[in-house]
Amino acid sequence: EDQVTQSPEALRLQEGESSSLNCSYTVSGLRGLFWYRQDPGKGPEFLFTLYSAGEEKEKERLKATLTKKESFLHITAPKPEDSATYLCAVQQRAAGNKLTFGGGTRVLVKP
Amino acid sequence: SAVISQKPSRDICQRGTSLTIQCQVDSQVTMMFWYRQQPGQSLTLIATANQGSEATYESGFVIDKFPISRPNLTFSTLTVSNMSPEDSSIYLCSVSGGTDTQYFGPGTRLTVL
Repeated sequence: EDQVTQSPEALRLQEGESSSLNCSYTVSGLRGLFWYRQDPGKGPEFLFTLYSAGEEKEKERLKATLTKKESFLHITAPKPEDSATYLCAVQQRAAGNKLTFGGGTRVLVKP
Repeated sequence: SAVISQKPSRDICQRGTSLTIQCQVDSQVTMMFWYRQQPGQSLTLIATANQGSEATYESGFVIDKFPISRPNLTFSTLTVSNMSPEDSSIYLCSVSGGTDTQYFGPGTRLTVL
């Protein structure tokens, strides 16, 4: 069965303490892997799309990487405004534009 | 990216009633999707709303419970029918304008008593 698993479920960081979030997937025919940020009471905000192993994308303090089995979202020197739930989702070639989401990682950055 | 709005933003409903949620986009988009996010959970796709044809539902979701309309390229509605407390969730629409990326609306928070 196709699965998307995110770890850890929750992460508490001190401001400036870098860390990584993991998204492992077992799907056949990966078309793309997506990272979103979701703030409480809001819809997910698009961050990155990764298509092939070895690909990397960066945006401010965030960097996403992709291997054949997992993706990492690195948060460098986080600030309190980086506190949010980070969601990854996969899209399969045989499933059109359907996104299958992982459970998310809740990140809290304390000043 | 497109600007997406949803109405209502939240509602409290009685069991057995129905609620229609609207999703409006500020530009024409090829594909629109409806997701459910149950309390403390991640997102699950309900259906893909196709313009000019019936929606395509995912396993576990049926048209009688979640009828969808897509009258044009900027608008869609999702109705949650004969509601029960288990339907209490956030309902989100998303759009895709020809690329693989989906952009999400702000969501509708539904509480069923």
